[in-house]
Amino acid sequence: KNQVEQSPQSLIILEGKNCTLQCNYTVSPFSNLRWYKQDTGRGPVSLTIMTFSENTKSNGRYTATLDADTKQSSLHITASQLSDSASYICVVRQWHDMRFGAGTRLTVKP
Amino acid sequence: GAVVSQHPSRVICKSGTSVKIECRSLDFQATTMFWYRQFPKQSLMLMATSNEGSKATYEQGVEKDKFLINHASLTLSTLTVTSAHPEDSSFYICSASPAGGPWETQYFGPGTRLLVL
Repeated sequence: KNQVEQSPQSLIILEGKNCTLQCNYTVSPFSNLRWYKQDTGRGPVSLTIMTFSENTKSNGRYTATLDADTKQSSLHITASQLSDSASYICVVRQWHDMRFGAGTRLTVKP
Repeated sequence: GAVVSQHPSRVICKSGTSVKIECRSLDFQATTMFWYRQFPKQSLMLMATSNEGSKATYEQGVEKDKFLINHASLTLSTLTVTSAHPEDSSFYICSASPAGGPWETQYFGPGTRLLVL
């Protein structure tokens, strides 16, 4: 079983709408959690990084939350744009290992 | 800043041949580079970690004699897929950690699509 589970697996929304992606993890001990955006056929690009003591962090229209007690994180995208169509990957660091989620495939339609 | 390039972006080869993929950090020096493989609709899977001037560390299940990694300089790492087979067809992505920075700060390359016929 993957130590980093993301949901939903895929999501389709209309341009301008908001959406929230989920990441649940069982990785322990926990060092930090990152959200990456990966466009099709491209390498991932970091959006946010959150440590144990941080509850929320924003990067433009992207806002990540972290609940280290329940081991859950979310990525909220506001006022979606067509260019937001991509896979969003949650990565949890454990000591010197990084555990990758399978990603959520987001499609924004006009 | 912090740009990582990969070459080629896509390659098609015949079964049994070898393919070399280059990963370059363009504007920074990278003491550590990582190689990942990603199958369709799946997450990135770490194959190996390479440190400049030393042998690469391979993840469990990755054949070091099949996936040869050379990290000869602080800006270049190469992955050679030897005697490629159709099951090696995948998306190969490298990442690089800037020298002097935390290893977990990784800048990813754009990936190389390998198709073995």
